[in-house]
Amino acid sequence: EPEVTQTPSHQVTQMGQEVILRCVPISNHLYFYWYRQILGQKVEFLVSFYNNEISEKSEIFDDQFSVERPDGSNFTLKIRSTKLEDSAMYFCASTSLQGSVTEAFFGQGTRLTVV
Amino acid sequence: GENVEQHPSTLSVQEGDSAVIKCTYSDSASNYFPWYKQELGKRPQLIIDIRSNVGEKKDQRIAVTLNKTAKHFSLHITETQPEDSAVYFCAASSHTGNQFYFGTGTSLTVIP
Repeated sequence: EPEVTQTPSHQVTQMGQEVILRCVPISNHLYFYWYRQILGQKVEFLVSFYNNEISEKSEIFDDQFSVERPDGSNFTLKIRSTKLEDSAMYFCASTSLQGSVTEAFFGQGTRLTVV
Repeated sequence: GENVEQHPSTLSVQEGDSAVIKCTYSDSASNYFPWYKQELGKRPQLIIDIRSNVGEKKDQRIAVTLNKTAKHFSLHITETQPEDSAVYFCAASSHTGNQFYFGTGTSLTVIP
């Protein structure tokens, strides 16, 4: 069964440093997402990406964040100048169809710890 | 935008009993309602979903009901087993699929 894969599984970074979280969505999927889950809390939407541009973003997704699809397979989330409160599990997800919502497949997550 | 509320936040049931988790949504344009199960330290995984043209859907011990008029939908798990213990999230999405709005999650514990 196809899977969304994320790397690394765990990232520890110093406050103020930049991190890049990587995702490989399922190959024939068209919509890509980043979600964040602070420990013990709900899954929060960050951004959706379609046709090589941001489709929608939440209030959390400020200028500190950016996304990119640098090639045909990877989808990255860059966090500049990390803060302690950025510590969370970050999930990438993808769905297959535009105009007809289908299941969102989630990656296994990257646990980001900012120290 | 859409606002999804979920209750209860925690739920404990005896093995074999039923569990019900309820969600409400605010945006009448939402028409797709998935339920995800998240085991500790793992990714959310879809367990069942329902679209707005259907009132009920069942898959073995799991069922979901949708009341479009009242804007609420519920997850029903019958004959619960210890392996059902997890956090369950409801979500809502419109036909554009730009994002899924998640509920706050329900931590279900099935006591053997």
